[in-house]
Amino acid sequence: TQLLEQSPQFLSIQEGENLTVYCNSSSVFSSLQWYRQEPGEGPVLLVTVVTGGEVKKLKRLTFQFGDARKDSSLHITAAQPGDTGLYLCAGISGGYNKLIFGAGTRLAVHP
Amino acid sequence: GAVVSQHPSWVICKSGTSVKIECRSLDFQATTMFWYRQFPKQSLMLMATSNEGSKATYEQGVEKDKFLINHASLTLSTLTVTSAHPEDSSFYICSANREYNEQFFGPGTRLTVL
Repeated sequence: TQLLEQSPQFLSIQEGENLTVYCNSSSVFSSLQWYRQEPGEGPVLLVTVVTGGEVKKLKRLTFQFGDARKDSSLHITAAQPGDTGLYLCAGISGGYNKLIFGAGTRLAVHP
Repeated sequence: GAVVSQHPSWVICKSGTSVKIECRSLDFQATTMFWYRQFPKQSLMLMATSNEGSKATYEQGVEKDKFLINHASLTLSTLTVTSAHPEDSSFYICSANREYNEQFFGPGTRLTVL
């Protein structure tokens, strides 16, 4: 069974702080995607990483794919209340196109 | 681009009735669509993979006779919850595959069975 362990599960911080969310697995992923989901809505794709060691930036968000393509991280700089939401990592492994989801990180940024 | 719609966005039904949920890719064709279920404060749980023109592939533990999936065209997949019961109440989300296996999600359908 392929697992994607995501941590932390909950994060409550003050506006302006930095944070990092991690996704780790013993499996190799051909690609890994990060999503953000707000209550009552579907997940919204933030980024897809494909190459080992790849780093992508989206404004204050920095995404990194591990060299071995088994892990990934999301770093948010100077968090804002608008960053509040559920962050999900999801990977695709082998020849399958099914996404394997992490458990999610629920982020709350307080003004 | 990459917009996926779902209809209805919410539905309330009586126990024993059937409910159909539609998932459409609005600006791209999707040979594969996926159906997920999400419980409060939890991550997404894949129910089945819907392939255009063929039978859906169900995940272990998901009753195929309970959750009927039809993928009649490259832009439409439907999920029918048959003889719904209160324990079927949940948030159902579909997604559609685009290139590079990127999945784009619909806004979800909240089903409440009384």
